Amino acid sequence: GENVEQHPSTLSVQEGDSAVIKCTYSDSASNYFPWYKQELGKRPQLIIDIRSNVGEKKDQRIAVTLNKTAKHFSLHITETQPEDSAVYFCAATYGGSQGNLIFGKGTKLSVKP
Amino acid sequence: DTGVSQDPRHKITKRGQNVTFRCDPISEHNRLYWYRQTLGQGPEFLTYFQNEAQLEKSRLLSDRFSAERPKGSFSTLEIQRTEQGDSAMYLCASSLAGGPYEQYFGPGTRLTVT
Repeated sequence: GENVEQHPSTLSVQEGDSAVIKCTYSDSASNYFPWYKQELGKRPQLIIDIRSNVGEKKDQRIAVTLNKTAKHFSLHITETQPEDSAVYFCAATYGGSQGNLIFGKGTKLSVKP
Repeated sequence: DTGVSQDPRHKITKRGQNVTFRCDPISEHNRLYWYRQTLGQGPEFLTYFQNEAQLEKSRLLSDRFSAERPKGSFSTLEIQRTEQGDSAMYLCASSLAGGPYEQYFGPGTRLTVT
């Protein structure tokens, strides 16, 4: 079946360093790739997304890149801060649907002050 | 608060009982999704509605699960004859239709089956 693989499962960085999380997807029809941040006990929050007609998108310290040929996309966080510590999930649409998402297993990011 | 809301936030039930959860989406959103999340995993798609029509259900979804959105606004998810394996966080999300568009999640209902 369709799936999204996410790496690494845990990531520890020093405050001010950059963090990169990578995802690969299997469905060539996937056309929308959101990233969610989930703090302990809270709801997933959409932080950035990218559509298949775009290769890169940036929002302040956060950027996402997409390589459709290789079927992978990545989240880049620069100048990390302790409040960036959370679990990050990537997701992709699947099965030709216009919105149903399949999620990766998450990356627990720890930013040490 | 104009975000997605869910009720109850927590539910403890005994195995074999039925439970029902409610989701109120963002008012202008005509798509509503149900997901399930277990510890250490990403949300898993269960089903979604566009207005009152249920357009897709996960092939993995047991027949004990049923969802409704009778007037195209709020939705309910019912689990019949609960099992311990149903213990999870049940998340609702909503979005505009015609996209794909951004999905915004509610706070979830944490179900514990004893």
